[in-house]
This record gives sequence, structure tokens and C-alpha cells, in this order.
Amino acid sequence: NAGVTQTPKFRVLKTGQSMTLLCAQDMNHEYMYWYRQDPGMGLRLIHYSVGEGTTAKGEVPDGYNVSRLKKQNFLLGLESAAPSQTSVYFCASSYPGYMGETQYFGPGTRLLVL
Amino acid sequence: AQSVAQPEDQVNVAEGNPLTVKCTYSVSGNPYLFWYVQYPNRGLQFLLKYITGDNLVKGSYGFEAEFNKSQTSFHLKKPSALVSDSALYFCAVKNTDKLIFGTGTRLQVFP
Repeated sequence: NAGVTQTPKFRVLKTGQSMTLLCAQDMNHEYMYWYRQDPGMGLRLIHYSVGEGTTAKGEVPDGYNVSRLKKQNFLLGLESAAPSQTSVYFCASSYPGYMGETQYFGPGTRLLVL
Repeated sequence: AQSVAQPEDQVNVAEGNPLTVKCTYSVSGNPYLFWYVQYPNRGLQFLLKYITGDNLVKGSYGFEAEFNKSQTSFHLKKPSALVSDSALYFCAVKNTDKLIFGTGTRLQVFP
């Protein structure tokens, strides 16, 4: 049982390049989330999904897209990376109505945009 | 709108002393409150939560938190700090399908 895994762990991009971050969970959770963590700002929600085939915007969605084609995977895409997207990205998952919907986090992806 | 505030960026405490990390909340209705811990270069780990019932909630690694409705607080506590408790601590409140996190408090425990 791996829990929540994220790929890649670290990536360097040039401004304007695109990339996709992959999140996978093996806990059969319905809900999945993408956050970014920046110094002094805590975690901010980018997008989230309450089930396969559904996505919704969070607090800071601009410049990002997501897809949830399979229940266990949640992809975060950057179509044209900008230096302001340099951050640490965390994926999380939870099961609705169970244990107060405790979220379980992946180890993070550190992204540097030059 | 639901929100939490962590008024201290950093808390310093000597090993063996009690520690408190503060969190206040603003919610409409009954709050679901959480504490998470983040060790360096790691993801967040769930510590404890308050849903309903006893105001004193016990969690992992000897931590506990006290829900105080009149003061709208949910402070994290531990009777005797360890150097290994040094980490970044986040308070969070549930908002429909999402969690709203505070900005985090860095706990530094000195030997």
C-alpha cells in the first residue's frame, strides 16, 4: 500500500515550457486535490476532484489544468510555465464522509521555472 | 467564509518543556478542525482532528489539541517537547469538500 505517490520529485523548466505532474493513490479515495506551497503562504488549493471525470477550481487555478480520467490518478498540467509557478506541489486524497475526510498527502514535487 | 489563523510564524521551546502552537478559526456552523505536521522535504502528515464530542482531542506522537468554542481556538499542545518535534505545523478547517489551511507555524525545539 503506497498511499499517495507523485511523479516527478523534482523538475526544472524554462519559461513557456509545458509539463504534467502525476498523482496516484491506491486507497480507493473519491476526492483528490492539488496544492502549491510557497514560503509564508501555507498551502493553497489549485484544483480538486470529487470523483472520476469531475474537476473543480480551487483558490489559485490560473495557469493550471487538471484531469481525472481514472479514479486513482489526478494529473496537473502547466501549459506554459512561468517563474511565478516555481513552488512545491502537493497532491492529496480523501474519502468523503469517512473519518471527517482526513486528507492524505504525497511527498511533493519541487518545480523550478527559470 | 471558513478560515484559520496561526498568529505565530515560529515557536521556540526547550526540550522537555510544554509546547503550544496556536490556531484560531472563523466558521459558520460547526467546525471540522485539523492539525497536520510537515517534516523537512516531506508531505504533510495528519496529526489529529476535532469533529464533535470531547473538546480535548488526542493525536499522534503525544500531541493533543483543545477545542474552545467561546474563544474560537484549536491550539495544539504537548506536555514535554522533543527535539524531533521540530517541524512545520499547519492548522486547517474543512470547507465543504475542501480544507483551508493556515500559513503554518515553525516549531523549533532546542536541546
